[in-house]
Amino acid sequence: QVHLVQSGAEVKKPGASVRVSCKASGYTFTKFAITWVRQAPGQGLEWMGWISAANGLTNYAQNLQDRFTMALDTSTTTAYMELRSLRSDDTAVYYCARGGSMAADFWGQGTLVTVSS
Amino acid sequence: SYELTQPPSVSVSPGQTARITCSGDALAMKYTYWYQQKSGQAPVLVIYEDSKRPSGIPERLSGSRSGTVATLSIGGAQVEDEADYYCYSTDNSGNVFGSGTKVTVL
Repeated sequence: QVHLVQSGAEVKKPGASVRVSCKASGYTFTKFAITWVRQAPGQGLEWMGWISAANGLTNYAQNLQDRFTMALDTSTTTAYMELRSLRSDDTAVYYCARGGSMAADFWGQGTLVTVSS
Repeated sequence: SYELTQPPSVSVSPGQTARITCSGDALAMKYTYWYQQKSGQAPVLVIYEDSKRPSGIPERLSGSRSGTVATLSIGGAQVEDEADYYCYSTDNSGNVFGSGTKVTVL
């Protein structure tokens, strides 16, 4: 069955960068995109972007594209996201999910990123 | 930026039907997806392409769309249906989630 397993919680200082990984298994990795979504404490879901595992095509949310990068390692079926110049309002649970412009059907367990001085 | 509008909350009595709307200009031309999120858990896809149910999703959850308004219906609501529900769709620039609806069964 499809599994997406994310890396563990992170605590970062303002201005730092964070990298979260998402290890996929149970399906042909290159047939689907990976979407990233975040959720601030007590808030709704925010779409961040997706990356195609077939050809590396990306689509970033406009409000993040200057600080946010998605990448893939098809040899290890792992997706990565990096967020730079962290601010306190970047504190959130970050999710990866299988899927791109269409449904994100299977989700990782989430990674809590806390930005605090 | 593109927005999808949902009511903040919906209350329903056990066994009754709850309906959650999602409105957005592009919904007439783009599919709507619905997610259920219970407290402390990752979202779960419950409806895709406006009205299709993934395997394992109860038949009491159903989706429909008319013009620019999509609707998620929970027929015969049960306590276990208490959750936040989000609609999700796309426009020409990317994907977007609705603001979310908290469903209370009491």
